[in-house]
Amino acid sequence: GAGVSQSPSNKVTEKGKDVELRCDPISGHTALYWYRQSLGQGLEFLIYFQGNSAPDKSGLPSDRFSAERTGGSVSTLTIQRTQQEDSAVYLCASSLGWKGTFWTEAFFGQGTRLTVV
Amino acid sequence: KQEVTQIPAALSVPEGENLVLNCSFTDSAIYNLQWFRQDPGKGLTSLLLIQSSQREQTSGRLNASLDKSSGRSTLYIAASQPGDSATYLCAVERDTGFQKLVFGTGTRLLVSP
Repeated sequence: GAGVSQSPSNKVTEKGKDVELRCDPISGHTALYWYRQSLGQGLEFLIYFQGNSAPDKSGLPSDRFSAERTGGSVSTLTIQRTQQEDSAVYLCASSLGWKGTFWTEAFFGQGTRLTVV
Repeated sequence: KQEVTQIPAALSVPEGENLVLNCSFTDSAIYNLQWFRQDPGKGLTSLLLIQSSQREQTSGRLNASLDKSSGRSTLYIAASQPGDSATYLCAVERDTGFQKLVFGTGTRLLVSP
């Protein structure tokens, strides 16, 4: 596609429910990342995929958070048993990754605003 | 641990002024530095990317410089316009073997007509 696409754009869920957030990266982009932006906070790195593998999952806040990427394209971030502190904007980004001597430009989606009530 | 700070946190200027936004980082072992803008309720829009071997990049009225050794970058906006009003974020790419952006705290810019 023309840009990084995220769905849904907004999600309101009840505390304790599971939610899935979807990211469609730019076609051909091998690297994909998830970030979280909580109200009044900076952007927090969650996880990075190179292809279908995630070399670093240390940014995930708890074991309630998981992410997968299939076919080197679409990624899903799943939050189980949501808590109010999970309320945030979840941003996905993609890039062409490493190009021998530099990392390429990251392009972000519009985000999914998650509200846990 | 890499920390990225942006000064000022907020800036209000009249239309037409030239302005400078500052970004500093504690660990100079970076590959890239990228500037983004974020409009309220929106995602991030990439403005400029400077590789560690470069000293500046220009796009239209925007010019970004990088002094890797001193851990500083500046974003210069010429002839500011109300449409430039947004939050500006800088982010550094860490030299960790995988791609991970560490974001600054942001500068909220308001350009008044």
